Formats: sequence, structure tokens, C-alpha cells
Amino acid sequence: GAVVSQHPSWVICKSGTSVKIECRSLDFQATTMFWYRQFPKQSLMLMATSNEGSKATYEQGVEKDKFLINHASLTLSTLTVTSAHPEDSSFYICSASPGGRGEQFFGPGTRLTVL
Amino acid sequence: AQRVTQPEKLLSVFKGAPVELKCNYSYSGSPELFWYVQYSRQRLQLLLRHISRESIKGFTADLNKGETSFHLKKPFAQEEDSAMYYCALKGGATNKLIFGTGTLLAVQP
Repeated sequence: GAVVSQHPSWVICKSGTSVKIECRSLDFQATTMFWYRQFPKQSLMLMATSNEGSKATYEQGVEKDKFLINHASLTLSTLTVTSAHPEDSSFYICSASPGGRGEQFFGPGTRLTVL
Repeated sequence: AQRVTQPEKLLSVFKGAPVELKCNYSYSGSPELFWYVQYSRQRLQLLLRHISRESIKGFTADLNKGETSFHLKKPFAQEEDSAMYYCALKGGATNKLIFGTGTLLAVQP
């Protein structure tokens, strides 16, 4: 089946620094990638939809200048949390879709802890 | 507004007992409904979708448009079914998924 990887699997950083999380589709081309955030014992909340070669579409309430998304190729999307603060600590999950209304395949997630 | 409601945070049953995980949705058009499962320390994965009308691992789910429900059922629960289950909705022209809050199914031996 389709495999999506995320790197790193976990990261700890100091407040004020920026952190980049990568999402890769390993065996298919992902026209669309999605970024979710999951707080402990809560559901996945969609942050943004990223289409290859174009600007990401952010959900209401998500700061686009804080959560920078780049989808420069059909197999890679990155999420950069800029000037991270403790409240940004969360589990970030990406998914990738071959396009159209195709199935989303999920990455394993990245645990971000901001001290 | 699009919304998915899973009223139960935790459902605990004994092995061999029937299971029903509830899901209700709110959507004005014709949605696509999905069930995703997340086993311990594993990634989220698709369990089944209503358009396929399939049974996966003994689970079935029927879309009831009148009741706006998409409950997940299994006649005899197994211990390996213990996991977090999320109901999700996809509607409109986009490929976005709206997730419910999830139900933790615990199957006791």
C-alpha cells in the first residue's frame, strides 16, 4: 500500500526557535498533502491543505505566517513552525493523496515539544 | 456546517460481545463517510468507506441519511479490535476530511 513518512518522529526545541517537519510520499505522487494537529486525547484538526506547486489553503484560525507550508514536489511537503512557543506543543500529522478525491494516506506523526 | 459527532469517548466490551460505535454527521449535501482506525503506536489507517459497502475485519457500517448516521458495527468483538476509531466526513469539491473526536474501543478478555 501507499506509504507516507514523516521526519522527525519527535522533536524538542526551545521557545522562540523554528522547527521544520517533513512529510514524504514514498511510493506514489501526492498532488495534495494535508497537515493536521492533534492534542492529547482529542481529534485530528485540519490545519491546511497543500497542493503541489501552489500556496497552501489554511483553515480558519490557523496562522499562515506561523505555520509555513511548502509543497515544492509531488513527494514532499514541509511544515515549519516559526517562533515556536509551548502552546505549539502537539502531535502533527500529515496525509498525502494522489489527487482528485483519492484516499488520504497518513504519516506516523511528529511529536513537537516546545520548552 | 460540517460536523461529525462521536458521542462515546470510551466503549468497553467483552470479547465475543457485539460492538456498535456511533457516528452522526451534519452536512447539507451528499457526503462521503469513512471510518479510520488507529491501533496502539500505529498510524491512522482507513478501515472502511460507505461507498464501498464492504466488510473489513468483520466491521460494517451503513449510511443512514434519514438519521444522518454512520454507525460502525461488529457482531463479535475480538481483543485485537482494541483501538481508537474515528469517523470522518468528506464533502463538497475538496478532498478535506472532517474527523469526529474518536471512540476508544477496549475489548476485554
